[in-house]
Amino acid sequence: EPEVTQTPSHQVTQMGQEVILRCVPISNHLYFYWYRQILGQKVEFLVSFYNNEISEKSEIFDDQFSVERPDGSNFTLKIRSTKLEDSAMYFCASSEAMSAGGDTQYFGPGTRLTVL
Amino acid sequence: AQSVTQLGSHVSVSEGALVLLRCNYSSSVPPYLFWYVQYPNQGLQLLLKYTSAATLVKGINGFEAEFKKSETSFHLTKPSAHMSDAAEYFCAVSDQSSASKIIFGSGTRLSIRP
Repeated sequence: EPEVTQTPSHQVTQMGQEVILRCVPISNHLYFYWYRQILGQKVEFLVSFYNNEISEKSEIFDDQFSVERPDGSNFTLKIRSTKLEDSAMYFCASSEAMSAGGDTQYFGPGTRLTVL
Repeated sequence: AQSVTQLGSHVSVSEGALVLLRCNYSSSVPPYLFWYVQYPNQGLQLLLKYTSAATLVKGINGFEAEFKKSETSFHLTKPSAHMSDAAEYFCAVSDQSSASKIIFGSGTRLSIRP
């Protein structure tokens, strides 16, 4: 069964460093998403992406964050200058269509980001 | 704005017993509702979703959930728990103001006693 994959599974970085989290969505999906879960808190929506541009972003997704689909398979989340509060599990998801009720978002296993 | 509340951060049941995980939603319009499961060290997997077609929704692994508008609830049940059901369960609702955002509850950790 096709699945969303994410690398690395765990990333440790120093505060102020740039990190890139990588995701390979399901191959025939057109819509891509990033969510995050700070330890002990809810899973929160960050951003959705379609046709090489951001469709929607939350207030969390400030200028420190960016997303990109650099080639036909990868979808990346970049944090330019990490802060301690960026430590979280980051989930990538993809769907065939962009309709939370009409189509299912499939999630990857997550990347645990630890900022020291 | 839509939201979901999961009652009980941790539920423990005996193997073979009924599983009941509670979820209440807040929405001004008929919502789309989901239950996701997260097994240890894995991603979020969709168990089932409600999209107004039928109030009783059957999902994978023997789980089902019933949409009750009068109670604004979408509780998840399974008649007989199995050890492999031990996981974190998330109730979620689509944001009607957005085509893409899913809003998650805080999760319920299900433990199964032998």
